[in-house]
Amino acid sequence: EPEVTQTPSHQVTQMGQEVILRCVPISNHLYFYWYRQILGQKVEFLVSFYNNEISEKSEIFDDQFSVERPDGSNFTLKIRSTKLEDSAMYFCASSEWTDNNSPLHFGNGTRLTVT
Amino acid sequence: QQQVKQSPQSLIVQKGGISIINCAYENTAFDYFPWYQQFPGKGPALLIAIRPDVSEKKEGRFTISFNKSAKQFSLHIMDSQPGDSATYFCAASNPNSGYALNFGKGTSLLVTP
Repeated sequence: EPEVTQTPSHQVTQMGQEVILRCVPISNHLYFYWYRQILGQKVEFLVSFYNNEISEKSEIFDDQFSVERPDGSNFTLKIRSTKLEDSAMYFCASSEWTDNNSPLHFGNGTRLTVT
Repeated sequence: QQQVKQSPQSLIVQKGGISIINCAYENTAFDYFPWYQQFPGKGPALLIAIRPDVSEKKEGRFTISFNKSAKQFSLHIMDSQPGDSATYFCAASNPNSGYALNFGKGTSLLVTP
């Protein structure tokens, strides 16, 4: 079964550094998402992306965050200047469509640790 | 503001028993209610989902009960097995927000042998 793959599985960075989290969505999917899960807390929506632009974004997704689809397969999340509170598990997800008939498929996540 | 409230936070059930997890929501624009299962080190995986035009949906041992007037929905796991031990998240979405999922805080289920 096709799956969403994320790299790296664990990223450690120092506060103030830039990080790029990478995702390869399922190949025939058109909608892409980033969610995050702070340890012990709920999964939170960050951003959705379709047709090379952001469709929706949450309050969490401020100017420090950006997303990009640099080629036909990768989908990236960049955090420009990391803060301690950015430490979390970041999940990429993709779906074929953006409606109730098209479930989200999540990757296994990248654990980001900001020191 | 927590849009989806989930309870209990943790649950221990004996093998063969029924696991019940409850969720409540406030936003009446929500029209899609999925349940996700997450094992340690893995991303959430869709388990079962329901729309508000039906009151119940069953897939194997998993059933969603939906009460639109009370704005509540619940997951029932019949004949719970140790392999069901995982964290379960309810979620809700609405078309006005591009179907971005609003998750509950999760329920850690442990099924004992």
